[in-house]
Amino acid sequence: DSGVTQTPKHLITATGQRVTLRCSPRSGDLSVYWYQQSLDQGLQFLIQYYNGEERAKGNILERFSAQQFPDLHSELNLSSLELGDSALYFCASSVEGGPLAGTDTQYFGPGTRLTVL
Amino acid sequence: GNSVTQMEGPVTLSEEAFLTINCTYTATGYPSLFWYVQYPGEGLQLLLKATKADDKGSNKGFEATYRKETTSFHLEKGSVQVSDSAVYFCALSDPMNSGYSTLTFGKGTMLLVSP
Repeated sequence: DSGVTQTPKHLITATGQRVTLRCSPRSGDLSVYWYQQSLDQGLQFLIQYYNGEERAKGNILERFSAQQFPDLHSELNLSSLELGDSALYFCASSVEGGPLAGTDTQYFGPGTRLTVL
Repeated sequence: GNSVTQMEGPVTLSEEAFLTINCTYTATGYPSLFWYVQYPGEGLQLLLKATKADDKGSNKGFEATYRKETTSFHLEKGSVQVSDSAVYFCALSDPMNSGYSTLTFGKGTMLLVSP
């Protein structure tokens, strides 16, 4: 158990809908990362938050957004869903996560499997 | 930009065989290198890491050495078990160069070990 929790474990929805994925980082970790894992694209970094502020952005679509709350949990919002958004979405957390992070290790949650029908 | 290339799988071995999964990287800075493992139906778990050239990461019988001259971080294990069957991901993080500690992953290598 990494200490990172994600809910829900599975999500099935229809095209055009909007969903919210939730992540709680390990105790003491200030950074949260979101990754998408799909068969064709592999594991791709989406976005990172550090202590409530957006820190880095990867291959995140404009239909997707995220935020980190004062209690450090994070939510990933996916809207106007398309079939191609079906994937495993992972959250990870680390202590720091910035330029001085050095050997900062990311710990992954179990993932949310999103199926868009 | 940064990239990681892993050997394609699946790698199929018999129990107690020697394992090598190749990983090479491209990075402009001095990255940290990681191996993560994903068991069926689970999230990624950190297997081992190395943060500078010639460092050797090791855990649960797995080893990998950070080779800057060949830009490689090959994963090895002397004697695999059925329970090692999983997907293995090589990854790098280059915070000092990019300003971020986000991970760049390889495509993953599936390992199947038979009794």
